Amino acid sequence: KQEVTQIPAALSVPEGENLVLNCSFTDSAIYNLQWFRQDPGKGLTSLLLIQSSQREQTSGRLNASLDKSSGRSTLYIAASQPGDSATYLCAVSGGETSGSRLTFGEGTQLTVNP
Amino acid sequence: DAGVIQSPRHEVTEMGQEVTLRCKPISGHNSLFWYRQTMMRGLELLIYFNNNVPIDDSGMPEDRFSAKMPNASFSTLKIQPSEPRDSAVYFCASSFRRPRELFFGEGSRLTVL
Repeated sequence: KQEVTQIPAALSVPEGENLVLNCSFTDSAIYNLQWFRQDPGKGLTSLLLIQSSQREQTSGRLNASLDKSSGRSTLYIAASQPGDSATYLCAVSGGETSGSRLTFGEGTQLTVNP
Repeated sequence: DAGVIQSPRHEVTEMGQEVTLRCKPISGHNSLFWYRQTMMRGLELLIYFNNNVPIDDSGMPEDRFSAKMPNASFSTLKIQPSEPRDSAVYFCASSFRRPRELFFGEGSRLTVL
């Protein structure tokens, strides 16, 4: 059974700092990995999708990497801003035999202080 | 595109009442998912559909829960009868079959008294 772990559970940083959020998964036979952001009382917003054949994806100040063999992904946020404060979740999708089921981590709650 | 649309956004009901949550997926998406989120259990997949056909309903808690997708643009999640432990935020999400990037609605917050 796939298990996804995110470390740290919470992170508080001053504005402008570069930061890294970590995600690990137990079964490396994944189809893709997706990073989401969730604001309080809101739905999940897709940030980046990395296919299993890819090593990284970038969008603006965000960069996500994937190391399938070690079961790890990182989300790098450059020059953090107070508006980045949210909960960040990673989720992995299994291979074809496991269908479209996504397994989510517990999330990292990020606070960026002005 | 308007994104995934869910209704109602908030529902407060009494134990024993029937609850129906609605979802309109993104046009063209052929997979639809229902998730439940609570503080205790995080995000749980309840059921998902491919091309309007239920594929995996193993996450549906019990027979009180049922989901339908009569066409490509509409799905419902019904709870009958509702219980206080069903209180949660219910999310609908949709994607193309490939590459399976998932897009979520804003959620329906259910409170059962």
